[in-house]
Amino acid sequence: NAGVMQNPRHLVRRRGQEARLRCSPMKGHSHVYWYRQLPEEGLKFMVYLQKENIIDESGMPKERFSAEFPKEGPSILRIQQVVRGDSAAYFCASSPQGYDTQYFGPGTRLTVL
Amino acid sequence: QQQVKQSPQSLIVQKGGISIINCAYENTAFDYFPWYQQFPGKGPALLIAIRPDVSEKKEGRFTISFNKSAKQFSLHIMDSQPGDSATYFCAASINNFNKFYFGSGTKLNVKP
Repeated sequence: NAGVMQNPRHLVRRRGQEARLRCSPMKGHSHVYWYRQLPEEGLKFMVYLQKENIIDESGMPKERFSAEFPKEGPSILRIQQVVRGDSAAYFCASSPQGYDTQYFGPGTRLTVL
Repeated sequence: QQQVKQSPQSLIVQKGGISIINCAYENTAFDYFPWYQQFPGKGPALLIAIRPDVSEKKEGRFTISFNKSAKQFSLHIMDSQPGDSATYFCAASINNFNKFYFGSGTKLNVKP
């Protein structure tokens, strides 16, 4: 059973461009979470999604950030008009039931030039 | 406001020694407390977890001690090995919401 998959692993964008981060949960998992990790810091919750629904987006910045988890395909975290402060590692996690252990992917490291 | 406070920020232990990492929380609604291990360039991996109805949980060399009245929990790594060198994160969540609040991390270095 493959683990949580994220791509790309590394992404470089210039200020003002868009970043799209993809997450494929573990097989059988329908709950996806996105976290952001700044250098030398812990992970900060961003958003919790189920298929076609956003359950909790209390950690998402109000502007430029959006997330989706369509019926088919991976979950997408989209950052529009990136700024240098968006440079971080973005981790996706999944769980089977939504109230249990979360399994993390390897992360996407976003660098904004 | 940080929901979960973790200490120390870094820790150096000799091979064979005991590594102890502490976490404290304020929200009494938290009911799930996992510990994650993260190697450089990798995602966090679940190490061990506890719920507040027990005071201790042991898995191999890893033990969680939980003090509900003090709102503190700690990770003990017995017989620490160089391969244990990593960053450790404690976390807490409220069951029905399953949003994890992470501590700031402890960088453990086990000297051979």
